[in-house]
Amino acid sequence: EDQVTQSPEALRLQEGESSSLNCSYTVSGLRGLFWYRQDPGKGPEFLFTLYSAGEEKEKERLKATLTKKESFLHITAPKPEDSATYLCAVHPRAYSGAGSYQLTFGKGTKLSVIP
Amino acid sequence: DTEVTQTPKHLVMGMTNKKSLKCEQHMGHRAMYWYKQKAKKPPELMFVYSYEKLSINESVPSRFSPECPNSSLLNLHLHALQPEDSALYLCASSHLRTGSITSYEQYFGPGTRLTVT
Repeated sequence: EDQVTQSPEALRLQEGESSSLNCSYTVSGLRGLFWYRQDPGKGPEFLFTLYSAGEEKEKERLKATLTKKESFLHITAPKPEDSATYLCAVHPRAYSGAGSYQLTFGKGTKLSVIP
Repeated sequence: DTEVTQTPKHLVMGMTNKKSLKCEQHMGHRAMYWYKQKAKKPPELMFVYSYEKLSINESVPSRFSPECPNSSLLNLHLHALQPEDSALYLCASSHLRTGSITSYEQYFGPGTRLTVT
């Protein structure tokens, strides 16, 4: 069974204190891994897609990396506006046809950045 | 433009009411989705449409009825809902995976906060 585990569940950082969020996955072949940011009461905002081990993507203070078993979302010098829940989702290769568009989500990491 | 719009933003309905949620995208995506999200949980897939045809129904109760009138619009018709159906309902869209498409991430709308009384 495909599984996505995110850790930690919650993370409190001081403004400027860099850290990383983890997304470990067990899937029968990975077609893609996605990171989203979600603010309370709003829809997830797409951040990154990673397709193969070794791939890295950056956007402002965020950098996502991928290995064969996990992905990291590195946050450099975070600001209070980076506070949100960060969701990781995988797109398993094993799904075919219409099922190949299903995502398996992790439970998310709630990040709080304190001024 | 990577925008998916949803209306209404908030909806309060009684258990005997009939209402509809609407979703629109103009990114040329041919896959559209409905998700349900409860507080502090990840989104749960309800329905998938590809090429305006229902592809996946994740064992959703018949009181939820999806409709895809055209490639840009997606509706979710609600009837005789229960209080436990109160949640954030999210619409998303993506490209279908074809030889010429290399990115098929899903873009989500802002959601409709539904409260069933």
